Amino acid sequence: DTGVSQDPRHKITKRGQNVTFRCDPISEHNRLYWYRQTLGQGPEFLTYFQNEAQLEKSRLLSDRFSAERPKGSFSTLEIQRTEQGDSAMYLCASSLATSRDSPRDTQYFGPGTRLTVL
Amino acid sequence: GESVGLHLPTLSVQEGDNSIINCAYSNSASDYFIWYKQESGKGPQFIIDIRSNMDKRQGQRVTVLLNKTVKHLSLQIAATQPGDSAVYFCAEKVGGSTLGRLYFGRGTQLTVWP
Repeated sequence: DTGVSQDPRHKITKRGQNVTFRCDPISEHNRLYWYRQTLGQGPEFLTYFQNEAQLEKSRLLSDRFSAERPKGSFSTLEIQRTEQGDSAMYLCASSLATSRDSPRDTQYFGPGTRLTVL
Repeated sequence: GESVGLHLPTLSVQEGDNSIINCAYSNSASDYFIWYKQESGKGPQFIIDIRSNMDKRQGQRVTVLLNKTVKHLSLQIAATQPGDSAVYFCAEKVGGSTLGRLYFGRGTQLTVWP
């Protein structure tokens, strides 16, 4: 399988605990995105990387959230001191941007990690 | 700000009929549009995309139409099949240098009846 993979697929945690999710993009894709999706809504952008550089962060990404892509391959998204409002599907996507200003930056999504905060 | 929305939240069609899913956007600076299909419990799956310098693009059983005058996007699915049942999202990218984010609408639930 050469698609985007995410781990774990499901995570149940208690309020106040820290959680970390992993995303493995499609091989050789240089861009990696994180989105959050709540029930009945479309995905909302959180942040994205080009190689190892984090280029943009949404205002949704509070100081409890941190994302890394240390070697420009896989990425992790950590949520500290989880709150019930963090319950959502966390989606990762990757793309191969051929130029810095490439508009046709087709993003391919992984299956997501469903987080439930009790 | 950017806004991507949908005219209808649900659409029911009979197997074999054609489906049309509509989407409105408000940002004239949007230069790239994508349709995704999302089945329950899965991530969005790329269907087809179109750049703003085009008004029509065809794929296998799908056609995307873009009307920039009225800021309207549609996805046509020919000979709809039960496997097409899913939520369909349109997404847009706003023109800019390093802005890679996509803006998604709420989605349309397509149900195909046998």
